[in-house]
Amino acid sequence: QKEVEQDPGPLSVPEGAIVSLNCTYSNSAFQYFMWYRQYSRKGPELLMYTYSSGNKEDGRFTAQVDKSSKYISLFIRDSQPSDSATYLCAMSSTSGTYKYIFGTGTRLKVLA
Amino acid sequence: NAGVMQNPRHLVRRRGQEARLRCSPMKGHSHVYWYRQLPEEGLKFMVYLQKENIIDESGMPKERFSAEFPKEGPSILRIQQVVRGDSAAYFCASSPYSGTEAFFGQGTRLTVV
Repeated sequence: QKEVEQDPGPLSVPEGAIVSLNCTYSNSAFQYFMWYRQYSRKGPELLMYTYSSGNKEDGRFTAQVDKSSKYISLFIRDSQPSDSATYLCAMSSTSGTYKYIFGTGTRLKVLA
Repeated sequence: NAGVMQNPRHLVRRRGQEARLRCSPMKGHSHVYWYRQLPEEGLKFMVYLQKENIIDESGMPKERFSAEFPKEGPSILRIQQVVRGDSAAYFCASSPYSGTEAFFGQGTRLTVV
């Protein structure tokens, strides 16, 4: 079993839709959670960073962490064609060396 | 404040040559992480370094790969005697402290011919 699981997609939605992206994980020691957006042949761009459980909102993006279910989500409101990219979740543990473990990424296509 | 800088952006090496990938972290960041990405795959952790120290190299192949982050200068990922399977995008990230936000560079795309 992988430490971090993420549906690879692709996920296609119409412009203006609310997008829900998710990751599950197995290591209960993960405390730091991040979401990145990666365009083709570019480096990952940090979107959201959360510590422990709860919600965090930034513009059209909301990140949720449910540690009891080992489940994290990223919601994108009013999705735009420019949001079409691969979205990667990443997490880090407070035990061990704090390295970031990534999901495989979900490809999102927002159709105009 | 410049972001994480990686160079070269593209590198072509013949089988058996050495590849040197450089990463300059963001100003004030003393933690550097290297990842490898194959097409259509996620980021695979390779090594985590702090100034002059290797913190975690559990993702590094045991042979031909090495990394350093000297007191002065960029972090270097070195691949000796490259093989076709080393062809990939290599990304570097930096953070100011362990467990905090990590910011990525644009990567080095290594092609072994």
